[in-house]
Amino acid sequence: AQKITQTQPGMFVQEKEAVTLDCTYDTSDPSYGLFWYKQPSSGEMIFLIYQGSYDQQNATEGRYSLNFQKARKSANLVISASQLGDSAMYFCAMEDSNYQLIWGAGTKLIIKP
Amino acid sequence: DTGVSQNPRHKITKRGQNVTFRCDPISEHNRLYWYRQTLGQGPEFLTYFQNEAQLEKSRLLSDRFSAERPKGSFSTLEIQRTEQGDSAMYLCASSLVLAGTQETQYFGPGTRLLVL
Repeated sequence: AQKITQTQPGMFVQEKEAVTLDCTYDTSDPSYGLFWYKQPSSGEMIFLIYQGSYDQQNATEGRYSLNFQKARKSANLVISASQLGDSAMYFCAMEDSNYQLIWGAGTKLIIKP
Repeated sequence: DTGVSQNPRHKITKRGQNVTFRCDPISEHNRLYWYRQTLGQGPEFLTYFQNEAQLEKSRLLSDRFSAERPKGSFSTLEIQRTEQGDSAMYLCASSLVLAGTQETQYFGPGTRLLVL
């Protein structure tokens, strides 16, 4: 069965430090997509970054990068130079063969000033 | 603003009442998804539409829930005879599926439902 695992329920990080949020996945599909979303306390789910299973390079979007290790089935999100506004829930999700998203339980990130 | 919109943003109702939520997707998107999210959890898939056709419904979607997308544009999600367990955030997302590929799902702000 397809599954997303986020093992860190919560993290505290000092402002301006880099932070890595873990995500491992399980699928037997050869083609899949991996997404990270940010959900602030307001509730809106904000798309951050996408990695396709056949992409040769790790995805980057500004301060966000995805550390994709296919053999280990991991897709960790790295946020560089964290800011107070980065405090939120972060969800890892995998797109299945029907283009539906399977979600992890999320990691609550708190940035300390 | 050309993003996904949802109305209302908040709804408080009494147990047993019916409620209806609306989602307006990004205009060129042909897929529309409904999710439910309870506190501290990730979203749970409820149903999705490709244009006006409802292609899949989760087993979470009991017979009290019905969703429509009559003209392939906006969608409504109705909950009949609400129960306290229906209290959750209801999220709508849209995406564009072309020739076997999909672009990212973009989400609306959600509707927070509280059933008293």
